[in-house]
Amino acid sequence: DIQMTQSPSTLSASVGDRVSITCRASQSISSWLAWYQQKPGKAPKLLIYKASSLESGVPSRFTGSGSGTEFTLTISSLQPDDLAIYFCQQYSSYSRTFGQGTKVEIK
Amino acid sequence: QVQLVQSGAEVKKPGSSVKVSCKVSGGNFSSYDSSWVRQAPGQGLEWMGGIIPIFGAALYAQKFQGRVTITADESTTTVYMELNSLTSEDTAVYYCAGGGPAIHFDSWGQGTLVTVSS
Repeated sequence: DIQMTQSPSTLSASVGDRVSITCRASQSISSWLAWYQQKPGKAPKLLIYKASSLESGVPSRFTGSGSGTEFTLTISSLQPDDLAIYFCQQYSSYSRTFGQGTKVEIK
Repeated sequence: QVQLVQSGAEVKKPGSSVKVSCKVSGGNFSSYDSSWVRQAPGQGLEWMGGIIPIFGAALYAQKFQGRVTITADESTTTVYMELNSLTSEDTAVYYCAGGGPAIHFDSWGQGTLVTVSS
């Protein structure tokens, strides 16, 4: 299986800050990467697919970039509503795998 | 947008089985890729397996091979996940998630808490 590694595990930032989360794949996955946001007690929600395509209805402050083995999710101006855990997921193979998650906290 | 509605919470004894359902509405069920993803308390997301009804057989993560069965009923547009030989380590929220064939998950069910306890 393709292993996905996220960093950092936890991120603490102030409202208005620009924050970035990195996801690395154990082998090339081209652009077959998605990012999800999970708020406490809720199901995950799709933010980004195909590495950089913004899902309909998702605020434009979320951007995705990267290809091959290294990917980044950036929040351009952190908002209180962005308190959540963020997961990357590869779908280069049908046996999809997730990163371990990054918890975003608001200072 | 496709909607996924799951069955309710379950409490099971160790060694028993659980079967969770996921009603799929609003899409082309035959070509819709439905997967099961679980999340143990305070842990990350773990893909268990998935099925595309038009192709028939489900595919499973190696970790769950032989212990999980995913089926689809086209007459009711419902997908099922049955997990056998339960242990306390199977206590988790089980999500149904889906999208186009073999791509990202653009729809998620509300989750079903399965608690395994003696």
